[in-house]
Amino acid sequence: QLQLQESGSGLVKPSQTLSLTCAVSGGSISSGGYSWSWIRQPPGKGLEWIGYIYHSGSTYYNPSLKSRVTISVDRSKNQFSLKLSSVTAADTAVYYCATLELGIGAFDIWGQGTMVTVSS
Amino acid sequence: DIVMTQSPDSLAVSLGERATINCKSSQSVLYSSNNKNYLAWYQQKPGQPPKLLIYWASTRESGVPDRFSGSGSGTDFTLTISSLQAEDVAVYYCQQYYSTPPSITFGQGTRLEIK
Repeated sequence: QLQLQESGSGLVKPSQTLSLTCAVSGGSISSGGYSWSWIRQPPGKGLEWIGYIYHSGSTYYNPSLKSRVTISVDRSKNQFSLKLSSVTAADTAVYYCATLELGIGAFDIWGQGTMVTVSS
Repeated sequence: DIVMTQSPDSLAVSLGERATINCKSSQSVLYSSNNKNYLAWYQQKPGQPPKLLIYWASTRESGVPDRFSGSGSGTDFTLTISSLQAEDVAVYYCQQYYSTPPSITFGQGTRLEIK
C-alpha cells in the first residue's frame, strides 16, 4: 500500500523559499498512472491545489501560484519536492502531498500534512 | 478557472436522518470522450487529511460505506448521506479535475454537524 510522508521546515521567513519533501513508500515514484501532487490548506480554510508532476517529469501548476512554484522528483530517493519562493504570511498553511490518480481525476492517497508558518 | 460552489456552508442533521450537500461548477466537468464526470467528494475530520469518498460523481471509493452516495452530471452534483452516523461529522469538499489545460479546484467546503 502506497504511503506518503511530508517533511521540511515548519517555519519560513517572509520573502524566503519554502521547501518540502514527500517520501513515497510502498511503491515506486516512477510508476505510471499517478501524478505526484501538492495541496495546501490555510488554518481554518479550504483546500487549494498547488500543482503536480507526472511520472514522466512534466509539471502543471495552479495559475495563481505558477510564478513561484517548482515541483520536482528525485527517483533515486523515491521522493518528490515542493519549492515555493517569495513567501508571505498568506502562504501559512498545512501542506499535503497526495497522489492524483489520473484515470479518475481524484486524490486517492494523502500524506498526513505538515504545518508551515511564514513569520519573521 | 472552473469555480466550484458548495451549498450550504454548514448543515446540522439529526442522527439517522438524511444529509444532502450540493456542489455546482461554473462549467461542465463531463468528458464527452468517456461520458465521465470528473467530480470527486472528500471527507475531512479535524486534524486529518481529506479522505476520498466518491469519484466520477457517483462511484464510491473502496471501503466507503454505502450510506454515502453521489449523483449529478454536467455542472450540478449532490453528495447524500442516507442515514447520518456520529462518525460522519466532518467537513465535506467537492473537487473537479480538468485535463486540458490541467486544472483542479475544490469547493469551499460544507461543515456537517449533528442536530
